[in-house]
Amino acid sequence: GESVGLHLPTLSVQEGDNSIINCAYSNSASDYFIWYKQESGKGPQFIIDIRSNMDKRQGQRVTVLLNKTVKHLSLQIAATQPGDSAVYFCAENPMNSGYSTLTFGKGTMLLVSP
Amino acid sequence: GAGVSQSPSNKVTEKGKDVELRCDPISGHTALYWYRQSLGQGLEFLIYFQGNSAPDKSGLPSDRFSAERTGGSVSTLTIQRTQQEDSAVYLCASSFYVRVKEGTGELFFGEGSRLTVL
Repeated sequence: GESVGLHLPTLSVQEGDNSIINCAYSNSASDYFIWYKQESGKGPQFIIDIRSNMDKRQGQRVTVLLNKTVKHLSLQIAATQPGDSAVYFCAENPMNSGYSTLTFGKGTMLLVSP
Repeated sequence: GAGVSQSPSNKVTEKGKDVELRCDPISGHTALYWYRQSLGQGLEFLIYFQGNSAPDKSGLPSDRFSAERTGGSVSTLTIQRTQQEDSAVYLCASSFYVRVKEGTGELFFGEGSRLTVL
C-alpha cells in the first residue's frame, strides 16, 4: 500500500548547526503535506505545511522543500537549538479523500547537543 | 478551553477490563480524530468524526474499540476487554473542517492518554 516514510530514524546535531530531516512519500494523490514536532510527553504540534503547487516554503527558522519528481519532502531547521530536540513527523493529506485526514510517517528523532 | 483536553492523562488497567478515554476538542472545531501511538512508532489513525456525518471508523483495530461523540463536541473512546497490545498513547485531535477545502489540514492535538494494560 502507499505510505509515508522517513530515511533516518535519528539525527544528532550540534547546537547552531543546520538540520535536515527527510521524508519520502508514495501516494501520488497527495498534494498537501505537513510537518509536526512532538516533544516528549506532549502531543504533536504543527510546524509548517506545503501544497504541491509549491516546491519551497519558509517559516521562522524552518524551510520545507518538496520534490514531486522523486516524491521527497524535507524539513530544514536553521541554527538548531536544544529546544528543537523532538520527534519530527511528516504527514500527507490525500486531497481525493475529501477529508482533512492525515497519514503520518514513523518519525525522526532530532537530538541537539550543546 | 484554549486547547484539546484529554483525560485521564495516564491509565493503568488490568487485562480484560474496559477503559474509557475522553477528549474535549477546541470549541468550534467540527472535526475530531483519534490516533494511537505505540512506543517509538508513528501515529495510527483510529476514527474520525465530522459534524453530523457518519464517522470514519476504518482505522479501528478490532470490534473491542468504539468511539462516540456527543453533541458534536466531547468524544469518548472505549476499549473493551483490554489486551496488553492495546498499551499505547491515545491522541485526540480536532480541526476546522472548512479549512480542508483550502488545503490546510492542520490538526490540533491534545497531550494524549497513556494506557498501560498489565
